[in-house]
Amino acid sequence: EAGVAQSPRYKIIEKRQSVAFWCNPISGHATLYWYQQILGQGPKLLIQFQNNGVVDDSQLPKDRFSAERLKGVDSTLKIQPAKLEDSAVYLCASSLGPGTGGYGYTFGSGTRLTVV
Amino acid sequence: LAKTTQPISMDSYEGQEVNITCSHNNIATNDYITWYQQFPSQGPRFIIQGYKTKVTNEVASLFIPADRKSSTLSLPRVSLSDTAVYYCLVAELGDTGRRALTFGSGTRLQVQP
Repeated sequence: EAGVAQSPRYKIIEKRQSVAFWCNPISGHATLYWYQQILGQGPKLLIQFQNNGVVDDSQLPKDRFSAERLKGVDSTLKIQPAKLEDSAVYLCASSLGPGTGGYGYTFGSGTRLTVV
Repeated sequence: LAKTTQPISMDSYEGQEVNITCSHNNIATNDYITWYQQFPSQGPRFIIQGYKTKVTNEVASLFIPADRKSSTLSLPRVSLSDTAVYYCLVAELGDTGRRALTFGSGTRLQVQP
């Protein structure tokens, strides 16, 4: 089965610019997650979607980050304006649904963002 | 939320068995223990999951004592390709489970020839 697709793979932008990341989850996976992983740390959840609705966005810096999942399939994560501390890998993951005890999350390879 | 504690790093040699222990003192009744593996430049990958006693698959074994306050991931006969970061997580199981996976800093395993 195809994995979780993310693009772009790498992105370098200047601070105060905007950037967008795209994710295509595994077909049939209702739950989609965006994680931020800073170098040397574990992934940190930014937002969780169930179909096209937001389940948890408590750790999303809403003054600069936004995310949407139109039609309950693909998702985009946007940062505007970017700060130096946003430099990280942005991981998208999907699962059939919540409440799986952690089983069956499939992660994409991520987008490595460098803000200069 | 159950918090996990695991060693920051471990070193091993090819062919040895590696055991990574994780403590989760506040694990809840509906929580499962799940381990993920992450290679550089890749997203985490599911390894194994268990609730109690012992679980074994083609990759690893997971040992969970009766009180479930800790667990041990066992990797038999590691190779260089097992060099990665290993995350121990606890996550809800059930229809009401809405909490997404919460990662700690993981254990960085370095396997040497």
